[in-house]
Amino acid sequence: QKEVEQDPGPLSVPEGAIVSLNCTYSNSAFQYFMWYRQYSRKGPELLMYTYSSGNKEDGRFTAQVDKSSKYISLFIRDSQPSDSATYLCAMSPIGADGLTFGKGTHLIIQP
Amino acid sequence: DTAVSQTPKYLVTQMGNDKSIKCEQNLGHDTMYWYKQDSKKFLKIMFSYNNKELIINETVPNRFSPKSPDKAHLNLHINSLELGDSAVYFCASSQEGFGRAYTFGSGTRLTVV
Repeated sequence: QKEVEQDPGPLSVPEGAIVSLNCTYSNSAFQYFMWYRQYSRKGPELLMYTYSSGNKEDGRFTAQVDKSSKYISLFIRDSQPSDSATYLCAMSPIGADGLTFGKGTHLIIQP
Repeated sequence: DTAVSQTPKYLVTQMGNDKSIKCEQNLGHDTMYWYKQDSKKFLKIMFSYNNKELIINETVPNRFSPKSPDKAHLNLHINSLELGDSAVYFCASSQEGFGRAYTFGSGTRLTVV
């Protein structure tokens, strides 16, 4: 079992829909959870950052962490064609320098 | 101004050659990294450098060697390139504190022929 599992997609939804992206993980030591967005031929950019369990909202984006289930989610409301990209979850234990990434979900928002 | 810059953006070279990729960050971050993204888009850490000290070296072949002349630079040297080294290499930096949020460069696409 890989440390971080993420469905690669592609996930195709119509513009305006609510998008749900998810990752599961096996390492109970993970405490920091992040979502990165990567456009084609670009570097990943940080979207959301959460510590331990709970929710965090930033504009149209909401990140959720359920440590009891080892499950994290990213919700995108009112999705736009410009949201089309690959979304990578990443996580790390306290004190660690390296992040463990999921393989990324390729999201397509249809105009 | 680009926060983390890598050069070159594209690199095509023959097997057996030695090449280097340069990285510079102007964010004042204390740690820099090299990540490899394979053809399936999987990002995996290669190295981490903090104050010129190697912190992580994740089972990377010793043909790969990071060089840090100062806190703002972390270059990647690759000797005796192999076909399997073809990938996109990303440099990143972060600051110690409440967790670590990386800033990535735009990547160097290496093709070994």
